[in-house]
Amino acid sequence: AQKVTQAQTEISVVEKEDVTLDCVYETRDTTYYLFWYKQPPSGELVFLIRRNSFDEQNEISGRYSWNFQKSTSSFNFTITASQVVDSAVYFCALNRAGANNLFFGTGTRLTVIP
Amino acid sequence: DAGITQSPRHKVTETGTPVTLRCHQTENHRYMYWYRQDPGHGLRLIHYSYGVKDTDKGEVSDGYSVSRSKTEDFLLTLESATSSQTSVYFCAISRLAGSYEQYFGPGTRLTVT
Repeated sequence: AQKVTQAQTEISVVEKEDVTLDCVYETRDTTYYLFWYKQPPSGELVFLIRRNSFDEQNEISGRYSWNFQKSTSSFNFTITASQVVDSAVYFCALNRAGANNLFFGTGTRLTVIP
Repeated sequence: DAGITQSPRHKVTETGTPVTLRCHQTENHRYMYWYRQDPGHGLRLIHYSYGVKDTDKGEVSDGYSVSRSKTEDFLLTLESATSSQTSVYFCAISRLAGSYEQYFGPGTRLTVT
């Protein structure tokens, strides 16, 4: 069975602080894919990143970085120097290779205070 | 933008009435999905389609049916709406299954009174 846990329900930070959103997953598959999505207050879901289970390299995209550790079944997301526009609900998701069901965590609501 | 529209964007209906939500894509992607989003549950898959007239059930399919007669359109029908189906419904598309990211439409907020 697949499961994604985002234990942090809500986080508040002051602008320019760094913040890390945790994601822990469970799967018995050896090949799987992990995703992060952003849902701003306007409600749409925005794809941020995809990572496969064979690639444990950390990834950086501007102020965003992702740390994938198979040993701890975690795929954490860090925002550096947070901005008010980063305020959103962030979802971590998991998919098996060849499957069609994205399993989502319950999301972490990030509020960046100016 | 991934070229996905959903209609209607908001709907209020009464218990027991049929409701159809439409998802339209301009990307010619093979895979289309319907999810519902509820507080405390994240998003959960209702049904998906892997081609014209090819559909399958997801995690929470009871009370829902789907149809896909054209590549660009995927319809979600609640045959007899119940209050438990009050939710935000998202359509998504994907070029390929599994490993590929899904792109989501703007969502439809459905309220069943």
